[in-house]
Amino acid sequence: GNSVTQMEGPVTLSEEAFLTINCTYTATGYPSLFWYVQYPGEGLQLLLKATKADDKGSNKGFEATYRKETTSFHLEKGSVQVSDSAVYFCALQTDSWGKLQFGAGTQVVVTP
Amino acid sequence: DAMVIQNPRYQVTQFGKPVTLSCSQTLNHNVMYWYQQKSSQAPKLLFHYYDKDFNNEADTPDNFQSRRPNTSFCFLDIRSPGLGDAAMYLCATSRGAGSTDTQYFGPGTRLTVL
Repeated sequence: GNSVTQMEGPVTLSEEAFLTINCTYTATGYPSLFWYVQYPGEGLQLLLKATKADDKGSNKGFEATYRKETTSFHLEKGSVQVSDSAVYFCALQTDSWGKLQFGAGTQVVVTP
Repeated sequence: DAMVIQNPRYQVTQFGKPVTLSCSQTLNHNVMYWYQQKSSQAPKLLFHYYDKDFNNEADTPDNFQSRRPNTSFCFLDIRSPGLGDAAMYLCATSRGAGSTDTQYFGPGTRLTVL
């Protein structure tokens, strides 16, 4: 079956530090890959996505590249801000009714 | 401008007392999803509608039902809430149900069961 594995948190960083959150997946077929962000008490917001191999998704300084050979979609940001503190979910979506399969989520805490 | 709206944002009910959560969308999307997210866990799909076609996940308890009277609205009914049903309930919509159709989430309704 399909699954997503992402690094456990919490990840604690100082402002302006480099952030990487690892995400790997197992899927049949050709899934699309997503990163969603959830701020405390809020719903999920789409951060970025990639729909095929070697695509790079980017938004708000975050980037992730769809690597089919390593089945990975790692999230990176060069310089984090306190406002980036949130829980980040990696997810894959297949053609099976567009069902999203989420990873467990990684909490990121950025300190001033 | 809000695109996926959930009401109420916070709902308190009593053990065994039926409760209905509401979701509406201004995107005119064909597909609407309901997810359950328990504390510190990933969202879990309960069911979805593609237009009027209802699709239930195999492990969704019978206690959970849904209605979609028109394109814009979808309701989640919990017939007899138990303490284990306390969670954030997230509604999402997408234009289609393919792998490239992005889902847009509402802010969620946090359900407390007393």
